[in-house]
Amino acid sequence: DAGVTQSPTHLIKTRGQQVTLRCSPKSGHDTVSWYQQALGQGPQFIFQYYEEEERQRGNFPDRFSGHQFPNYSSELNVNALLLGDSALYLCASSFGLAGVVYTDTQYFGPGTRLTVL
Amino acid sequence: AQRVTQPEKLLSVFKGAPVELKCNYSYSGSPELFWYVQYSRQRLQLLLRHISRESIKGFTADLNKGETSFHLKKPFAQEEDSAMYYCALSPSGTYKYIFGTGTRLKVLA
Repeated sequence: DAGVTQSPTHLIKTRGQQVTLRCSPKSGHDTVSWYQQALGQGPQFIFQYYEEEERQRGNFPDRFSGHQFPNYSSELNVNALLLGDSALYLCASSFGLAGVVYTDTQYFGPGTRLTVL
Repeated sequence: AQRVTQPEKLLSVFKGAPVELKCNYSYSGSPELFWYVQYSRQRLQLLLRHISRESIKGFTADLNKGETSFHLKKPFAQEEDSAMYYCALSPSGTYKYIFGTGTRLKVLA
């Protein structure tokens, strides 16, 4: 099992553009969370997807959206990119339980480094 | 506001010396607290969580609700403990995590 995988590894975009980042969870996991990690900061929670729905969101604008597919993989979309969106974007997967708020161990991917020029 | 504070950006200790990485949190309820570690060129990974009360790689952390702290301790540091350590909080009834800014631990030979 390769664990959590993310693509691409690096990405360079210009202001105003849109970007899509991808994540495949660890085998057996059905929950995907996305984080933004700016340089010198800890990861900041963007949102979590379970059963193809966003079930928790952090303090990020609507420009940040996501999707989860039936195979549990996930995408993070960011529209109208700003310079401040430059960061490492981390995906983490875990096993969820329907109807139960349960913080299972998260397994992180290697991240996608996004640079906005 | 819910917040996790790690006051030290960098902590250097000699091999064999005790280590304490500080973590203070701001949250009025009963949080779940975690320590994550990132070794050089590796992924962020869970080190321990307070509800399991485990000792992982010789590290322990005790939740002090009175002082709202969750400091990470190890009696004798090893060179392989050199890494970036993040304290994280998950507010009860939510799925989100709030991370601190991290402390880089350097264990000197």
